[in-house]
Amino acid sequence: DAKTTQPNSMESNEEEPVHLPCNHSTISGTDYIHWYRQLPSQGPEYVIHGLTSNVNNRMASLAIAEDRKSSTLILHRATLRDAAVYYCILRDGTSGTYKYIFGTGTRLKVLA
Amino acid sequence: DGGITQSPKYLFRKEGQNVTLSCEQNLNHDAMYWYRQDPGQGLRLIYYSQIVNDFQKGDIAEGYSVSREKKESFPLTVTSAQKNPTAFYLCASTPRLSAAPGELFFGEGSRLTVL
Repeated sequence: DAKTTQPNSMESNEEEPVHLPCNHSTISGTDYIHWYRQLPSQGPEYVIHGLTSNVNNRMASLAIAEDRKSSTLILHRATLRDAAVYYCILRDGTSGTYKYIFGTGTRLKVLA
Repeated sequence: DGGITQSPKYLFRKEGQNVTLSCEQNLNHDAMYWYRQDPGQGLRLIYYSQIVNDFQKGDIAEGYSVSREKKESFPLTVTSAQKNPTAFYLCASTPRLSAAPGELFFGEGSRLTVL
Protein backbone atom coordinates (compact mmCIF):
# COMPACT_ATOMS: atom_id res chain seq x y z
CA ASP A 1 0.00 0.00 0.00
CA ALA A 2 1.26 3.46 -0.87
CA LYS A 3 2.12 5.67 2.11
CA THR A 4 1.86 9.39 2.69
CA THR A 5 3.91 11.68 4.91
CA GLN A 6 2.57 14.89 6.42
CA PRO A 7 3.81 17.34 9.08
CA ASN A 8 2.25 16.68 12.47
CA SER A 9 0.97 20.22 12.94
CA MET A 10 0.79 23.64 11.34
CA GLU A 11 -0.46 27.07 12.36
CA SER A 12 -2.05 29.80 10.33
CA ASN A 13 -3.52 33.21 10.97
CA GLU A 14 -7.18 33.74 10.21
CA GLU A 15 -7.94 35.11 6.72
CA GLU A 16 -4.54 34.03 5.41
CA PRO A 17 -3.84 31.23 2.89
CA VAL A 18 -2.67 27.85 4.18
CA HIS A 19 -0.55 25.35 2.27
CA LEU A 20 -0.66 21.83 3.68
CA PRO A 21 2.02 19.57 2.15
CA CYS A 22 1.94 15.82 1.57
CA ASN A 23 4.67 13.52 0.30
CA HIS A 24 3.78 10.28 -1.45
CA SER A 25 6.99 9.20 -3.12
CA THR A 26 5.82 5.59 -3.70
CA ILE A 27 2.62 6.60 -5.48
CA SER A 28 1.64 4.44 -8.46
CA GLY A 29 0.21 5.68 -11.71
CA THR A 30 -3.33 4.71 -10.77
CA ASP A 31 -3.39 6.09 -7.22
CA TYR A 32 -5.78 8.98 -6.69
CA ILE A 33 -4.79 11.57 -4.06
CA HIS A 34 -7.57 12.35 -1.60
CA TRP A 35 -7.78 14.90 1.19
CA TYR A 36 -10.15 14.61 4.12
CA ARG A 37 -10.45 16.63 7.31
CA GLN A 38 -11.71 15.69 10.75
CA LEU A 39 -13.18 17.96 13.39
CA PRO A 40 -12.99 16.80 17.05
CA SER A 41 -15.24 13.82 17.85
CA GLN A 42 -16.61 13.67 14.31
CA GLY A 43 -16.07 11.49 11.29
CA PRO A 44 -13.74 12.79 8.58
CA GLU A 45 -15.28 14.74 5.73
CA TYR A 46 -14.21 14.84 2.11
CA VAL A 47 -12.31 17.91 0.95
CA ILE A 48 -10.93 17.26 -2.53
CA HIS A 49 -9.26 14.65 -4.73
CA GLY A 50 -7.16 14.50 -7.89
CA LEU A 51 -5.06 12.27 -10.10
CA THR A 52 -2.65 14.37 -12.17
CA SER A 53 -4.03 17.86 -12.79
CA ASN A 54 -4.56 20.58 -10.22
CA VAL A 55 -8.13 20.71 -8.90
CA ASN A 56 -10.31 23.43 -7.43
CA ASN A 57 -13.60 23.25 -5.57
CA ARG A 58 -15.53 25.47 -3.21
CA MET A 59 -13.57 24.26 -0.19
CA ALA A 60 -9.98 24.20 -1.40
CA SER A 61 -7.47 23.71 -4.20
CA LEU A 62 -5.19 20.75 -4.75
CA ALA A 63 -1.82 21.28 -6.40
CA ILE A 64 -0.13 18.08 -7.61
CA ALA A 65 3.56 17.99 -8.47
CA GLU A 66 4.48 17.05 -12.01
CA ASP A 67 6.10 13.78 -10.86
CA ARG A 68 3.09 13.16 -8.56
CA LYS A 69 5.36 12.41 -5.61
CA SER A 70 3.95 15.28 -3.59
CA SER A 71 0.85 17.42 -3.39
CA THR A 72 -0.36 20.50 -1.52
CA LEU A 73 -3.80 21.30 -0.19
CA ILE A 74 -4.45 25.02 -0.35
CA LEU A 75 -7.04 26.78 1.80
CA HIS A 76 -7.26 30.22 0.27
CA ARG A 77 -8.50 32.07 3.37
CA ALA A 78 -8.33 30.13 6.62
CA THR A 79 -11.18 30.58 9.07
CA LEU A 80 -11.52 29.35 12.65
CA ARG A 81 -13.86 26.64 11.34
CA ASP A 82 -11.00 25.22 9.26
CA ALA A 83 -9.17 24.13 12.42
CA ALA A 84 -9.08 20.35 12.06
CA VAL A 85 -6.84 17.38 11.31
CA TYR A 86 -6.20 17.11 7.57
CA TYR A 87 -5.47 13.71 6.06
CA CYS A 88 -3.78 13.09 2.73
CA ILE A 89 -4.56 9.56 1.55
CA LEU A 90 -4.15 7.41 -1.52
CA ARG A 91 -6.55 4.96 -3.04
CA ASP A 92 -5.82 2.31 -5.64
CA GLY A 93 -7.97 2.97 -8.69
CA THR A 94 -7.39 -0.25 -10.57
CA SER A 95 -8.18 -3.26 -8.45
CA GLY A 96 -11.60 -2.14 -7.31
CA THR A 97 -10.68 -2.81 -3.70
CA TYR A 98 -11.28 0.83 -2.75
CA LYS A 99 -9.00 0.48 0.23
CA TYR A 100 -8.13 3.81 1.83
CA ILE A 101 -5.09 4.11 4.09
CA PHE A 102 -5.06 7.00 6.58
CA GLY A 103 -1.89 8.32 8.20
CA THR A 104 -1.71 10.53 11.30
CA GLY A 105 -2.56 13.72 9.36
CA THR A 106 -1.69 17.38 9.99
CA ARG A 107 -3.38 19.21 12.84
CA LEU A 108 -4.12 22.73 11.62
CA LYS A 109 -4.45 25.46 14.21
CA VAL A 110 -6.00 28.75 13.06
CA LEU A 111 -5.16 31.81 15.12
CA ALA A 112 -7.66 34.64 15.45
CA ASP B 1 -31.38 12.79 3.59
CA GLY B 2 -28.89 10.05 2.67
CA GLY B 3 -26.13 9.21 5.05
CA ILE B 4 -24.51 6.80 7.46
CA THR B 5 -25.93 6.20 10.91
CA GLN B 6 -23.85 4.72 13.69
CA SER B 7 -25.20 3.64 17.05
CA PRO B 8 -24.75 3.90 19.90
CA LYS B 9 -22.78 7.15 20.02
CA TYR B 10 -21.30 6.24 23.40
CA LEU B 11 -20.94 2.76 24.85
CA PHE B 12 -19.46 1.40 28.05
CA ARG B 13 -18.46 -2.21 28.40
CA LYS B 14 -17.10 -4.37 31.14
CA GLU B 15 -14.00 -6.40 30.44
CA GLY B 16 -14.80 -9.80 28.98
CA GLN B 17 -18.02 -8.73 27.30
CA ASN B 18 -18.68 -8.69 23.59
CA VAL B 19 -20.32 -5.58 22.15
CA THR B 20 -21.80 -4.88 18.72
CA LEU B 21 -21.66 -1.48 17.02
CA SER B 22 -24.30 -0.74 14.42
CA CYS B 23 -23.69 0.92 11.05
CA GLU B 24 -26.52 1.58 8.59
CA GLN B 25 -26.33 3.49 5.29
CA ASN B 26 -29.04 4.58 2.86
CA LEU B 27 -26.66 5.81 0.16
CA ASN B 28 -26.99 2.59 -1.86
CA HIS B 29 -23.22 2.15 -1.57
CA ASP B 30 -21.72 -1.26 -2.18
CA ALA B 31 -18.54 -0.85 -0.14
CA MET B 32 -18.44 -0.34 3.63
CA TYR B 33 -15.56 0.04 6.07
CA TRP B 34 -14.78 0.02 9.79
CA TYR B 35 -11.95 2.13 11.18
CA ARG B 36 -10.55 2.49 14.67
CA GLN B 37 -9.07 5.75 15.97
CA ASP B 38 -7.07 6.14 19.17
CA PRO B 39 -6.46 9.55 20.79
CA GLY B 40 -4.12 11.68 18.70
CA GLN B 41 -3.76 8.95 16.10
CA GLY B 42 -4.90 8.45 12.55
CA LEU B 43 -7.49 5.94 11.40
CA ARG B 44 -6.66 2.27 11.15
CA LEU B 45 -8.67 -0.10 8.99
CA ILE B 46 -10.34 -3.02 10.81
CA TYR B 47 -12.53 -4.67 8.16
CA TYR B 48 -14.06 -3.74 4.83
CA SER B 49 -16.73 -5.22 2.59
CA GLN B 50 -17.20 -4.78 -1.13
CA ILE B 51 -20.48 -6.65 -1.56
CA VAL B 52 -23.09 -8.48 0.49
CA ASN B 53 -21.87 -11.69 2.16
CA ASP B 54 -18.23 -10.80 1.51
CA PHE B 55 -15.68 -8.97 3.67
CA GLN B 56 -11.91 -8.73 4.10
CA LYS B 57 -9.62 -8.12 7.04
CA GLY B 58 -7.92 -4.79 7.31
CA ASP B 59 -4.74 -4.00 9.21
CA ILE B 60 -6.01 -4.65 12.75
CA ALA B 61 -8.77 -7.27 12.48
CA GLU B 62 -7.74 -9.39 15.48
CA GLY B 63 -10.41 -9.36 18.18
CA TYR B 64 -13.11 -8.04 15.86
CA SER B 65 -15.77 -9.67 13.69
CA VAL B 66 -18.22 -8.35 11.09
CA SER B 67 -21.12 -9.49 8.95
CA ARG B 68 -22.67 -8.16 5.75
CA GLU B 69 -26.05 -9.81 5.36
CA LYS B 70 -27.68 -6.72 3.87
CA LYS B 71 -26.29 -4.04 1.62
CA GLU B 72 -27.35 -1.32 4.04
CA SER B 73 -25.85 -2.80 7.20
CA PHE B 74 -22.31 -3.62 8.35
CA PRO B 75 -22.24 -4.29 12.12
CA LEU B 76 -18.95 -4.63 14.00
CA THR B 77 -18.57 -6.90 17.03
CA VAL B 78 -15.78 -6.12 19.44
CA THR B 79 -15.04 -9.41 21.14
CA SER B 80 -13.44 -10.17 24.47
CA ALA B 81 -10.34 -11.21 22.53
CA GLN B 82 -9.62 -7.56 21.68
CA LYS B 83 -7.02 -6.60 24.28
CA ASN B 84 -7.45 -2.84 24.21
CA PRO B 85 -10.89 -2.01 22.79
CA THR B 86 -11.30 1.51 24.19
CA ALA B 87 -11.32 3.73 21.10
CA PHE B 88 -13.39 5.80 18.68
CA TYR B 89 -14.90 3.61 15.94
CA LEU B 90 -15.84 5.00 12.55
CA CYS B 91 -17.96 3.38 9.86
CA ALA B 92 -17.70 4.53 6.26
CA SER B 93 -19.00 3.69 2.80
CA THR B 94 -18.21 4.46 -0.80
CA PRO B 95 -19.88 3.77 -4.12
CA ARG B 96 -18.45 0.82 -5.98
CA LEU B 97 -17.25 2.31 -9.22
CA SER B 98 -14.95 0.52 -11.60
CA ALA B 99 -13.10 3.57 -12.91
CA ALA B 100 -13.67 6.91 -11.16
CA PRO B 101 -13.02 7.33 -7.46
CA GLY B 102 -15.98 7.88 -5.18
CA GLU B 103 -16.17 9.88 -2.05
CA LEU B 104 -15.69 8.10 1.23
CA PHE B 105 -18.57 9.01 3.54
CA PHE B 106 -18.23 8.60 7.28
CA GLY B 107 -20.69 8.20 10.11
CA GLU B 108 -20.46 10.27 13.28
CA GLY B 109 -18.62 7.54 15.14
CA SER B 110 -19.12 5.40 18.24
CA ARG B 111 -16.96 5.92 21.31
CA LEU B 112 -16.38 2.67 23.21
CA THR B 113 -14.99 2.70 26.73
CA VAL B 114 -14.05 -0.46 28.59
CA LEU B 115 -14.41 -0.14 32.34
